[in-house]
Amino acid sequence: GAVVSQHPSRVICKSGTSVKIECRSLDFQATTMFWYRQFPKKSLMLMATSNEGSKATYEQGVEKDKFLINHASLTLSTLTVTSAHPEDSSFYICSASLGQGSAGANVLTFGAGSRLTVL
Amino acid sequence: AQSVTQLGSHVSVSEGALVLLRCNYSSSVPPYLFWYVQYPNQGLQLLLKYTTGATLVKGINGFEAEFKKSETSFHLTKPSAHMSDAAEYFCAVTNSGYSTLTFGKGTMLLVSP
Repeated sequence: GAVVSQHPSRVICKSGTSVKIECRSLDFQATTMFWYRQFPKKSLMLMATSNEGSKATYEQGVEKDKFLINHASLTLSTLTVTSAHPEDSSFYICSASLGQGSAGANVLTFGAGSRLTVL
Repeated sequence: AQSVTQLGSHVSVSEGALVLLRCNYSSSVPPYLFWYVQYPNQGLQLLLKYTTGATLVKGINGFEAEFKKSETSFHLTKPSAHMSDAAEYFCAVTNSGYSTLTFGKGTMLLVSP
């Protein structure tokens, strides 16, 4: 089955530094990847849609200059949290879609998530 | 616009008891509906999905859900809870070809011996 790998699973950084999280589709090519943020005891919030070879589409209220998304290949999307602050601490989850078409056929495969803690 | 409402942030059951997690959705077009499970510090795993066809959908680990259009519901059930079922469960809806999911706020299932 389709597998999405996310790295690192946990990261602790100092305030003001930047952190990169990788999302890889291991056995399939993902034309579209999605980045979610999950707050404690809250649902997943879609941050952006990442399309291979083009700019990411950010959801309303998400700072594109703070959360840089790059989808340079069909198997890799990265999320970089720039100048991280404690309020950016969260659980970030990526997911990948096999391609455009019937939504029913494009079941998302999720990564295991990355817990970011900013001190 | 679409939305998902999960009734009850926490549901507690005894091992062996029926599990019922409620999900109601709002969608202007025919929806595709999903249930995902999340274990602590892990990503989401698909339990089951409804796209078209049979309204009673069977998933992994003995779970099933029934799409009821008249009630705009997609409740998740399992006849007999197991300790390993303790986790957070998310209902989600989409109606786009890009699979942009809208999630409910989740229901934490607690299973006691």
